[in-house]
Amino acid sequence: DIQMTQSPSSLSASVGDRVTITCRASQSISNYLNWYQQKPGKAPQVLIFAASTLESGVPSRFSGSGSGPDFTLTITSLQPEDSATYYCQQNFNLPHTFGQGTKVEIK
Amino acid sequence: QVQLVQSGSELKQPGASVKVSCKASGYSFGTYAINWVRQAPGQGLEWMGWINTYTANPTYAQAFTGRFVFSVDTSDSTSYLQISDLKAEDTAVYFCARTYYDSSGYDSRRFDSWGQGTRVTVSS
Repeated sequence: DIQMTQSPSSLSASVGDRVTITCRASQSISNYLNWYQQKPGKAPQVLIFAASTLESGVPSRFSGSGSGPDFTLTITSLQPEDSATYYCQQNFNLPHTFGQGTKVEIK
Repeated sequence: QVQLVQSGSELKQPGASVKVSCKASGYSFGTYAINWVRQAPGQGLEWMGWINTYTANPTYAQAFTGRFVFSVDTSDSTSYLQISDLKAEDTAVYFCARTYYDSSGYDSRRFDSWGQGTRVTVSS
């Protein structure tokens, strides 16, 4: 199975800050990488697919980059509503494994 | 609009079975696969597997073989997750999610619509 490792596990940042979350796959997965946001008590929502394509309706402050084993999710100007846990997921091979999550808190 | 609506919370005793439903609307049910994702209390997301809603062929992650069964009722656009011989460690929220992809290729596959989640609690 492909292992997905996110860092950091949690972070605290101020409104307006630039936030970066990284995700590393245990093998090359080309660009078969998605990012999800999950708020407490809610279902996850897709933010980015194919490593860098913004899902329709997602604010443009979210962006994704990378390929192969290393990927990045960036929030350019953190907003209060971005307080959530973020997960990467590979869909290169079965099983479609998720990273362990990164909890983003607002200072 | 695309919607996945899941059945309500369940409280079961160890050894019992549970069947969670996920009813789809707003699209052609047989066109896109349905996935099941588990989230144990305070934990992350765990992909359990998926079912081809056209052929009803399921695929399970290794940790979910044996006691877990995916099925579909195409006449009702509904997918099901059945768990037998429930154990305390099955206590979790279970989500269904649609795999969507567009004409740009398989790298566009993502879980674009999710059910609201079904909480299954296993306790004596």
